[in-house]
Parts: sequence; C-alpha cells; structure tokens
Amino acid sequence: AQSVAQPEDQVNVAEGNPLTVKCTYSVSGNPYLFWYVQYPNRGLQFLLKYITGDNLVKGSYGFEAEFNKSQTSFHLKKPSALVSDSALYFCAVSPRGGGNKLTFGTGTQLKVEL
Amino acid sequence: NAGVTQTPKFQVLKTGQSMTLQCAQDMNHNSMYWYRQDPGMGLRLIYYSASEGTTDKGEVPNGYNVSRLNKREFSLRLESAAPSQTSVYFCASSEKASWDTQYFGPGTRLTVL
Repeated sequence: AQSVAQPEDQVNVAEGNPLTVKCTYSVSGNPYLFWYVQYPNRGLQFLLKYITGDNLVKGSYGFEAEFNKSQTSFHLKKPSALVSDSALYFCAVSPRGGGNKLTFGTGTQLKVEL
Repeated sequence: NAGVTQTPKFQVLKTGQSMTLQCAQDMNHNSMYWYRQDPGMGLRLIYYSASEGTTDKGEVPNGYNVSRLNKREFSLRLESAAPSQTSVYFCASSEKASWDTQYFGPGTRLTVL
C-alpha cells in the first residue's frame, strides 16, 4: 500500500524568502506525485504533478517541486514567498497501474508573514 | 464551466438520520470520487467510480453508499448518520489514467449531533 508523509504540520516563512514544504512517499514502483493547495473554506486546487522525465516540475503561481527517487521525496518550493501563499498544502501519490486513486499526506499549513 | 459542484454546502443531522450528498461535474470526466477531510488526517477516499456504471470502495467506506447516476453525477448516501461521520466531504472528478489530475468541488460541511 502507498503512503505519503508530510513531516511538518506548519511552516512559517517571511515574505520574500524562499519556502520549502516537504513530502516523502512510499509506493511500489514508480509513482505519480501531486501537490494541491487548499485555501480556507475552499476545495483543493491543483498546483503541479510529476509524471515522468525532468525531475524538476514547474506549476501554478511560481511553485515548483523536485522529484528525488533515491530519497523518495517530492518537496514543494518557491523562490520568493508571498503572504497570499498562506494556505494548507497537500502532497499526494498515485501508483502506476493502480487506477487514479490518490493517497494524501496529512497536509502542511504554510504561513507567510510580512 | 462550473467544474465540480456539490450540494448542500452545509448540513446538520441528528444521529440516525439519513441524507444524500450530491455531486455533478461538467468536464465529461469518466472517473469520480468521494473523500472526507478530518483535521490532522488529510483526505481519505470513501468510494470512487472509475467509469459510468462502476463503483468501488476506498479506504473508509463503512457507513456510506454511493450511486453513479450517470456520467455527470455521483451521490454519497449516509443511511444512518453517526457523530463519527462529522467531517467535510469533497467530491472530485478526473479522467481514468493514474496520472490524470483530479478536480475538486467546494465541499460539504456535515455535522452529526
């Protein structure tokens, strides 16, 4: 069975500084990996995904993530954080050949302060 | 396009009452999903429908039933609500491939007293 770990419940960063939200996964074979963001009282919005190829994936709103197979990680990054990036971020994994059934991490609350 | 819509937005039930959560998508997606979100637990899959006419259990199916009414609509029914089913429920849709992006509705906040 697949699993996703987001080791930090909350990440605090100053506006303008780089941010990293961590994600590690466990799955048989090569995974498909996703990042979603949730603003208060809203549904989840897709940010980016890794399917194959280049390990650095670029997504919406200036976010990017790096797939690291040896460390089984897929950390979300942004070079310069904005206060409007404050939200709940979820990492998710879908196994190849297993149908499109996502397993989510527990989420990381990102707080960007002035 | 409205994307994925869910009704109702909020609901309060008493223990033992029943209700149906409705979900519809206008993206012509084959697959639809029901998740629940609880604090500190992320989203957990309740049921999914890979294509019209099929449904299957997810991680936490007990106490729920689903109906894939047609390609657009996928409903979730609580036959006898329990306080443990207090949660926020999200519907999502996607194409069938494992790499396809799932698109989420705005959620239904359900409280069972």
